[in-house]
Amino acid sequence: DTGVSQDPRHKITKRGQNVTFRCDPISEHNRLYWYRQTLGQGPEFLTYFQNEAQLEKSRLLSDRFSAERPKGSFSTLEIQRTEQGDSAMYLCASSAIQGGGSPLHFGNGTRLTVT
Amino acid sequence: AQSVTQLDSHVSVSEGTPVLLRCNYSSSYSPSLFWYVQHPNKGLQLLLKYTSAATLVKGINGFEAEFKKSETSFHLTKPSAHMSDAAEYFCVVSEGYTGGGNKLTFGTGTQLKVEL
Repeated sequence: DTGVSQDPRHKITKRGQNVTFRCDPISEHNRLYWYRQTLGQGPEFLTYFQNEAQLEKSRLLSDRFSAERPKGSFSTLEIQRTEQGDSAMYLCASSAIQGGGSPLHFGNGTRLTVT
Repeated sequence: AQSVTQLDSHVSVSEGTPVLLRCNYSSSYSPSLFWYVQHPNKGLQLLLKYTSAATLVKGINGFEAEFKKSETSFHLTKPSAHMSDAAEYFCVVSEGYTGGGNKLTFGTGTQLKVEL
């Protein structure tokens, strides 16, 4: 079990630029999630995939955000025209399909700083 | 809708004394409840989970939590704190209904400080 890996660990970008993050889930996990965590807060749900299908998106996910999981394995999260308010830790997690009690396994996150 | 309330944003204990981190939940369905821990610059690690089996749940590193439906609580305890327990702790609820996708709702976290 190599765990959930995220790349890059840190990203500094200027306002208005586009950024893309990658997440590689645990290989046998069908579900993949994106969360955002700002300083002093708990993670907030953004979106999740079951295999390649994006099944739910939070209202937090504005139209500048897009996530994909083209082959049901790794996922990318793109933010277009970044704003300073996008600065946060972006967390990816994966789980197996075992009903509501399946715990999520989190990666170490990508910390985004928009200057 | 589901939510959790962590009643203390900061808890400070002396090494070797008991730890109590309080959490109340709200859920429209039979919830699954979790506690996660986050050490600085590290990912979230699952401590323990409750999924409608035994109401007293034992987790890693000596932590345990008791599900009390009548009080809608899921407090985290440990008999004796260790310096390595200093971290942020999150109480988490998942309604887990079919199609809900295990979506987790996190509390705002409790920062645990352990002093010598």
